[in-house]
Amino acid sequence: SAVISQKPSRDICQRGTSLTIQCQVDSQVTMMFWYRQQPGQSLTLIATANQGSEATYESGFVIDKFPISRPNLTFSTLTVSNMSPEDSSIYLCSGWGQETQYFGPGTRLLVL
Amino acid sequence: GNSVTQMEGPVTLSEEAFLTINCTYTATGYPSLFWYVQYPGEGLQLLLKATKADDKGSNKGFEATYRKETTSFHLEKGSVQVSDSAVYFCALLYYGGSQGNLIFGKGTKLSVKP
Repeated sequence: SAVISQKPSRDICQRGTSLTIQCQVDSQVTMMFWYRQQPGQSLTLIATANQGSEATYESGFVIDKFPISRPNLTFSTLTVSNMSPEDSSIYLCSGWGQETQYFGPGTRLLVL
Repeated sequence: GNSVTQMEGPVTLSEEAFLTINCTYTATGYPSLFWYVQYPGEGLQLLLKATKADDKGSNKGFEATYRKETTSFHLEKGSVQVSDSAVYFCALLYYGGSQGNLIFGKGTKLSVKP
């Protein structure tokens, strides 16, 4: 199975600040995604991270709020910008490989 | 459209009880089906999968069979343990254009009491 790591694992942030989450995948992954899991909820796809170009965002998510980079095949970042308490969630990096989608351990974000 | 419906939780069982978590889906074409598990304080882990009708996925004593005729992928385990306490997500993978898209059910929380 693919190995996906994320950092930080958790953070507590003040409203109005930004946080960048890093994701590293192994070479078996071809596509990378970012998901949000709000408290007690299921997962919602934020965007597909495209290597060397702008990410593809799902309805309800915009680049100004969630800028994403993927400079190479195995690394991506998600920034949560100008945070508010409503952004308190788990953010999960995901990768597609070997006909299966794998998930990182998640970043638990609390915005005060 | 494509969707996944799971039985609502929480589900509370005693150790060694039989577990069934129902999952049904709506899809065009022939999706792949997955069960993911999220243990307390952790991310999602793939539990098992099935890629075509009548396939049975199995792992750690859990199993689920892809039933095209009933559009179902119910998760079962013959004897649950306290360590199985987690949230279980059923998911469907379909291809829209050139990439796959994973759709999750709302999750079912399982609590196993000793």
